[in-house]
Amino acid sequence: AQKITQTQPGMFVQEKEAVTLDCTYDTSDPSYGLFWYKQPSSGEMIFLIYQGSYDQQNATEGRYSLNFQKARKSANLVISASQLGDSAMYFCAMNRGATNKLIFGTGTLLAVQP
Amino acid sequence: NAGVTQTPKFRVLKTGQSMTLLCAQDMNHEYMYWYRQDPGMGLRLIHYSVGEGTTAKGEVPDGYNVSRLKKQNFLLGLESAAPSQTSVYFCASSYAPGRRNYGYTFGSGTRLTVV
Repeated sequence: AQKITQTQPGMFVQEKEAVTLDCTYDTSDPSYGLFWYKQPSSGEMIFLIYQGSYDQQNATEGRYSLNFQKARKSANLVISASQLGDSAMYFCAMNRGATNKLIFGTGTLLAVQP
Repeated sequence: NAGVTQTPKFRVLKTGQSMTLLCAQDMNHEYMYWYRQDPGMGLRLIHYSVGEGTTAKGEVPDGYNVSRLKKQNFLLGLESAAPSQTSVYFCASSYAPGRRNYGYTFGSGTRLTVV
């Protein structure tokens, strides 16, 4: 069965430092997509970054990058130069098949300290 | 461009009452989804639809029904609310796979409390 695991319930990082949020996944499908979403305290779900299983290069979007290690089945999110506004819950997700259903991890709560 | 709109944003129900949550999207997305979010459990799929007139069960469908009579709307119904259905409900939509941009667009959520 497909599964997403986020082992860090909560993390602290100092402002302006980089932080890595861990995500591992389990699937037997050769084609899949991996997503990261941010959920601030206001509650909305904000799309951050996407990595396809066949993509040769790691995805980047501004200060966000996805460290994709296919053999290890990991898709860690790296946030460079953390800002106070990065304090939020972060979810890793993977889509399933032709119906594009997403399965989510349990999330990591990131707190950026000044 | 409104994206995905959910109504209502907040609701308190008494056990046994019924209600319908409405989701509307204006992006011409084929697929639509209803998730619930509970503390420590991430988001779990309730029902989904891959096109107008089609619906299917997700991971936690019991106690819910859905309908998609129009492509832009996806309704989630609770026939007899139970305290276990206290949660935050998210609607999302996406293009069908095959397009590069088939990530989800989420609504802002509905916070439902059943007392």
